[in-house]
Amino acid sequence: DTEVTQTPKHLVMGMTNKKSLKCEQHMGHRAMYWYKQKAKKPPELMFVYSYEKLSINESVPSRFSPECPNSSLLNLHLHALQPEDSALYLCASSQGFGGTQETQYFGPGTRLLVL
Amino acid sequence: AQSVTQLDSHVSVSEGTPVLLRCNYSSSYSPSLFWYVQHPNKGLQLLLKYTSAATLVKGINGFEAEFKKSETSFHLTKPSAHMSDAAEYFCVVRTFYNQGGKLIFGQGTELSVKP
Repeated sequence: DTEVTQTPKHLVMGMTNKKSLKCEQHMGHRAMYWYKQKAKKPPELMFVYSYEKLSINESVPSRFSPECPNSSLLNLHLHALQPEDSALYLCASSQGFGGTQETQYFGPGTRLLVL
Repeated sequence: AQSVTQLDSHVSVSEGTPVLLRCNYSSSYSPSLFWYVQHPNKGLQLLLKYTSAATLVKGINGFEAEFKKSETSFHLTKPSAHMSDAAEYFCVVRTFYNQGGKLIFGQGTELSVKP
């Protein structure tokens, strides 16, 4: 089973709202990722967690706050977003970072609209 | 630094005819290369992966790709297109672990399949 689940599927929020995106995997993967994808563009890496610790932050604005409460769960907390933050947010996971462990498996994404 | 270039932003084929999606890569060392597919409003699905075990890589749904070091290419092919193959396809290279182990995405190729 290579399933990564994400909730909610769709989210509409105002610029003053606080919301959270959730990602879950039960494959025992130790690395988890958040990507942002604008229409007709490839995904852009935002954050990488390795063994529940933040290992990469791609200079993402502080209005995006990631959290990894345990090895199966990854959250993305959203606060004071801008309309240009509207996008598809993808979560991915991998066993690790090298060799046969490096393949990333993606969830279906959360479609976010900021009004 | 590693990079990938997808040579066509859009490819249109008729159902039952062959598919060729072209990808060139740049890497100082033997790369890890992937093809992912993204159907409309969906997440990314792994089609296949090259990690130096064999130059011809077979993937899901009848797709395959051939790694050609002399041409720095990793083109994706399928003998006979199906309507369900219509989607966006991304060629991806993975950076080395000491560079963060990140995925570098091509700009994508949109495949249209005509009846």
